[in-house]
Amino acid sequence: KQEVTQIPAALSVPEGENLVLNCSFTDSAIYNLQWFRQDPGKGLTSLLLIQSSQREQTSGRLNASLDKSSGRSTLYIAASQPGDSATYLCAVRLRRVYHNDMRFGAGTRLTVKP
Amino acid sequence: EAQVTQNPRYLITVTGKKLTVTCSQNMNHEYMSWYRQDPGLGLRQIYYSMNVEVTDKGDVPEGYKVSRKEKRNFPLILESPSPNQTSLYFCASSLSSPYEQYFGPGTRLTVT
Repeated sequence: KQEVTQIPAALSVPEGENLVLNCSFTDSAIYNLQWFRQDPGKGLTSLLLIQSSQREQTSGRLNASLDKSSGRSTLYIAASQPGDSATYLCAVRLRRVYHNDMRFGAGTRLTVKP
Repeated sequence: EAQVTQNPRYLITVTGKKLTVTCSQNMNHEYMSWYRQDPGLGLRQIYYSMNVEVTDKGDVPEGYKVSRKEKRNFPLILESPSPNQTSLYFCASSLSSPYEQYFGPGTRLTVT
């Protein structure tokens, strides 16, 4: 059964620092992987979606990489800002045709201090 | 504005009192689903729907019901809520199943 793990559970950094969030999964046969941001009292906002055939995706200061063979994805945030403070979740989808096979990690709570 | 809405956002109720959490999307998405989020467990899927009148169980369906009579709406029904259903609930939709999912703001439910 696919397990998705995010370490650390919480991370605190000073403003301006570059940082990496980690996501690991046990079954490398994934269809895609998605990174979300979750703000308190709000829903999940999709940040980046990486298809299984891709190695990375970039959006602004965010860069997500995917290494299926090692079962790992990283979310790199450049020049962090206090507004980046949130919980970051990764989720993997196992297959295209099955609909209840999206697995989420428990998230990393990021605090960026001014 | 494209969005997924949920109501209510916060709900405190007592054991056994039936409740419904509504979910609506305005993007003409075929696929909708419900998740619950608990500390340390991540999001777990409760039910999903591929289209009108087509629903199926997710990972944790016990104690929940859903219906999909219209494409835009996907209500979650708790016929007899219990304290172990205290959780944060999210509705999500996407164009179809493997595509990017859009999430509602969440409903925080407390059952005493």
